[in-house]
Amino acid sequence: GQNIDQPTEMTATEGAIVQINCTYQTSGFNGLFWYQQHAGEAPTFLSYNVLDGLEEKGRFSSFLSRSKGYSYLLLKELQMKDSASYLCAVGSYNQGGKLIFGQGTELSVKP
Amino acid sequence: EAQVTQNPRYLITVTGKKLTVTCSQNMNHEYMSWYRQDPGLGLRQIYYSMNVEVTDKGDVPEGYKVSRKEKRNFPLILESPSPNQTSLYFCASSWGGDTGELFFGEGSRLTVL
Repeated sequence: GQNIDQPTEMTATEGAIVQINCTYQTSGFNGLFWYQQHAGEAPTFLSYNVLDGLEEKGRFSSFLSRSKGYSYLLLKELQMKDSASYLCAVGSYNQGGKLIFGQGTELSVKP
Repeated sequence: EAQVTQNPRYLITVTGKKLTVTCSQNMNHEYMSWYRQDPGLGLRQIYYSMNVEVTDKGDVPEGYKVSRKEKRNFPLILESPSPNQTSLYFCASSWGGDTGELFFGEGSRLTVL
């Protein structure tokens, strides 16, 4: 089966950098997604990694190590609006069509 | 505007009264999926569909049915709702199954008394 772990909560200061980790166990790895979800809203896509390495998109970057079953989302120059839940999700060839989500990391950005 | 539309957005119902939550997307996506989101449990997949007339169970399919007669629509049916189906439901679609960016509907908050 698949298993995804990420911290439940994190707190950071406005303007700082925060790294949200995600570890996963799956057979037939087929890519890893990060989504952002503000309270009371739908998740929105942030990034997709299928190969090892760092993908940078503005203030947000996502890293993947397939051999370690590990990813992180890096948020730079934190803003108050970045307070949200960050969801890690993994796809698997062996589970064709199924995308499994972690429980999410609730990030609070303080002034 | 590209979007996924769910209805109703909010519903309070009683145990055993059949209900349907509709989902429609205008992006010509082949893949559609239903999730429920509960505190402490995250998003859990109920059913998904890779294309018209092709549906499959996710992790928590018990008590739910789906159909995919047209590409744009993927309704979620609760034949006999129970209180443990009180949850926030999201419909989503993508071009590429588990490899494509998911576009989510705004969510349907369902309460079963």
